Order: sequence, then C-alpha cells, then structure tokens
Amino acid sequence: GDSVTQMEGPVTLSEEAFLTINCTYTATGYPSLFWYVQYPGEGLQLLLKATKADDKGSNKGFEATYRKETTSFHLEKGSVQVSDSAVYFCALSDGGTGTASKLTFGTGTRLQVTL
Amino acid sequence: ETGVTQSPTHLIKTRGQQVTLRCSSQSGHNTVSWYQQALGQGPQFIFQYYREEENGRGNFPPRFSGLQFPNYSSELNVNALELDDSALYLCASSSRDEQYFGPGTRLTVT
Repeated sequence: GDSVTQMEGPVTLSEEAFLTINCTYTATGYPSLFWYVQYPGEGLQLLLKATKADDKGSNKGFEATYRKETTSFHLEKGSVQVSDSAVYFCALSDGGTGTASKLTFGTGTRLQVTL
Repeated sequence: ETGVTQSPTHLIKTRGQQVTLRCSSQSGHNTVSWYQQALGQGPQFIFQYYREEENGRGNFPPRFSGLQFPNYSSELNVNALELDDSALYLCASSSRDEQYFGPGTRLTVT
C-alpha cells in the first residue's frame, strides 16, 4: 500500500539557518503530495502541495519539489524563524474516487528553532 | 467563510463506553474525512463521507462508524471504547483535492 517516510526529529536549528526535511514516498499511480504543519495544540494546516512530477509547491518561504524519479518531496526553507517551530507532516493523496482522496501521512518531524 | 469546527475539544471516557464526536465542515465543502492521530504519530485515515454516503474506509474495525448530514456536517461514533482509542481525532472537509482540518477532539479512554 501507499506509504510516506520522513526523517526523524527533532530537528533543532538556530534562527536564520537553512532547513531541509526529507520525505520519500511509495505509491501506485500518480499521487498528489502535500506538506502540512501542526502548531502545538492545534489541528493540521496545509502548507503547500504539488500535483504532478516536477511541480514545485511554495508558501511562506517554504518550498518542495515533486521528484518522481527519486520518489521524494523534501521540504526546504532558506531562513527559519522561531515562529516556524512546529511539527511538519508529509502526505500523499491516493487519487481515489469522489471529490477528495484519503491522505496517507508520514510520522511527522518536529522542528525547534532557537534564537 | 467559517472554517472546520469540531466538538467537544476534550473528552474523557471509560473503557467499554461509547462516544460521539462532531464536525462542521467548511462552507461549500461536501466531503468530510476523519483521521485518528495517536500521540507522536501521523494521522491515520478512518473513513470519508461524500454527500451523505461512506466513500472509502481505512483499516479500522466496524465499531468506528459515521454519519454525514444534509448540511454536510458529520459525526464519528466509536463503540466499546478501548484504551488504544485514546488519540486526537481530526475532521477534514474538502471540495477539491485539498483537505482543511479542524482543531481536533482529544479523546482519553481510561
């Protein structure tokens, strides 16, 4: 079945450092790929998405490129801020029937940014 | 435009009891999905409802059941609660390929 593997955390960075969180996936067909962020005590917020190979999703300084050849969707940000401290989830959708598909999530990577 | 809301925020139940969680979908969204997020884990898909019909189910036993109403709000019911059911239950509504999550209901089973 479909699966998503993320690098284990926690990731601890100083403010303004470069961030990479690795994500690889296994899926049949052509899934859409997502990054969600979860702040303490809150639900999930969609951060960015990509729906086909070589697409780049971007939002709030975060970027991720859909790499079909390496089945990867790594999250990057050039300069992190303390406010970016959260848990980041990589996810894929199975392209099922209906108007929305089920999401398969990785286990999440906790990011802590310090001053 | 109001977002996805869930109630209650927190709930404590005893093993063997039954629980009902509620979700109001975002305006204009006709699809609702439910996920279970155990502590330190990613969310796991429970099931999805589209126009009041179940439209896909994850690897959860039949004691997890749901409903969707004509206004597209939804309920998740869990019978015969077990200790392992303790988790954050997330509801997500969608109208295209993006799912928007509510804040979740934290269920503790003792």
